Amino acid sequence: AQSVTQLDSQVPVFEEAPVELRCNYSSSVSVYLFWYVQYPNQGLQLLLKYLSGSTLVESINGFEAEFNKSQTSFHLRKPSVHISDTAEYFCAVSDVGLYGNKLVFGAGTILRVKS
Amino acid sequence: EAGVTQFPSHSVIEKGQTVTLRCDPISGHDNLYWYRRVMGKEIKFLLHFVKESKQDESGMPNNRFLAERTGGTYSTLKVQPAELEDSGVYFCASSQATGGAAFFGQGTRLTVV
Repeated sequence: AQSVTQLDSQVPVFEEAPVELRCNYSSSVSVYLFWYVQYPNQGLQLLLKYLSGSTLVESINGFEAEFNKSQTSFHLRKPSVHISDTAEYFCAVSDVGLYGNKLVFGAGTILRVKS
Repeated sequence: EAGVTQFPSHSVIEKGQTVTLRCDPISGHDNLYWYRRVMGKEIKFLLHFVKESKQDESGMPNNRFLAERTGGTYSTLKVQPAELEDSGVYFCASSQATGGAAFFGQGTRLTVV
């Protein structure tokens, strides 16, 4: 069975500081990895994904994550955060399935950006 | 292109009543999923449709929950009778036939009192 561990439930950080949200997964098969974000009073939005190819993936708003197979990690990083990045971030894993991909989520990390 | 839409956005019902949640996936997406987040817990998988067929319903809590996807388009999730522990946010998601990333709706917040 797959599992995802997000090591920090809350991460407070000042605006313009760098941030890393940690994610480790467990799986016995090949995986896809995702980060989703939920802004206050909104639904889940896909932030970035790793399906294959380059292990470093980037989002349009400056976040990046690196798939590290040996450490079974997919940490999310941003070199300089903004107030608008305040949200809850979810790491998720799925196996490489033939008929779609059931997601297993971590517990979520609340990023609070302070001015 | 419209995203995944869910209706209603909020529902408050009494214990023992019935509630039906609806999800309209992105047009052309064969895969449709239901997830639930109970307060303070992780987002948990409920079930997965491929077109109109149930591919995986291993996450359905019990037989009070019934999901349908007639014609392979929109889906409904009915809870009958609702219990207090059914309260939470129900998310629907869809993805293309070949898998890859799933796109989520806004969720339905269900409160059973």
